[in-house]
Amino acid sequence: DTGVSQDPRHKITKRGQNVTFRCDPISEHNRLYWYRQTLGQGPEFLTYFQNEAQLEKSRLLSDRFSAERPKGSFSTLEIQRTEQGDSAMYLCASSLGVAGGYNEQFFGPGTRLTVL
Amino acid sequence: GQSLEQPSEVTAVEGAIVQINCTYQTSGFYGLSWYQQHDGGAPTFLSYNALDGLEETGRFSSFLSRSDSYGYLLLQELQMKDSASYFCAPGGAGSYQLTFGKGTKLSVIP
Repeated sequence: DTGVSQDPRHKITKRGQNVTFRCDPISEHNRLYWYRQTLGQGPEFLTYFQNEAQLEKSRLLSDRFSAERPKGSFSTLEIQRTEQGDSAMYLCASSLGVAGGYNEQFFGPGTRLTVL
Repeated sequence: GQSLEQPSEVTAVEGAIVQINCTYQTSGFYGLSWYQQHDGGAPTFLSYNALDGLEETGRFSSFLSRSDSYGYLLLQELQMKDSASYFCAPGGAGSYQLTFGKGTKLSVIP
């Protein structure tokens, strides 16, 4: 399977704990995005990388959230001191950066986080 | 600011045609994307309009009017498997993030 993969698929943690999620994009894609989705809502943009550079961050992304893409390939999203409000599906997407053209985003299956 | 409006739910009969409307207000509008998401699944790309007019892809078509900040997704020959949520997502110029609304939940009934 050469699509976007995410690990783990499910994570249950206690409030106050730190969690880290991993995303492996489609290999030739240089752009990577993180979104968060709660029940009944559409995905909300969190952050975006072009290669290893984090170019955009949503105002939704509090200081407890940090994302990295150290070698321009896989990415990690860490949430520190989790809160119950962090419970959501965390989606990763990737796209091929074509200048001047549309860049369809391919989404991974998501990591469902439950904070108890 | 940004705003996005779609009907929350639509029900249609198998074999029929359904239109899902989307009105948006966003700064630096670049184009309008449509994504489909089945319950428990990941969003998947359906269509994109950068220019005014109709784009057709098989049973699905998407329309954009930039002057009216309006677009729609047209699904023809509905099948049961089309039951899903559909999101319009405007993209801003210079930014690659998509802005998703709450989406439209389509239920196809026999």
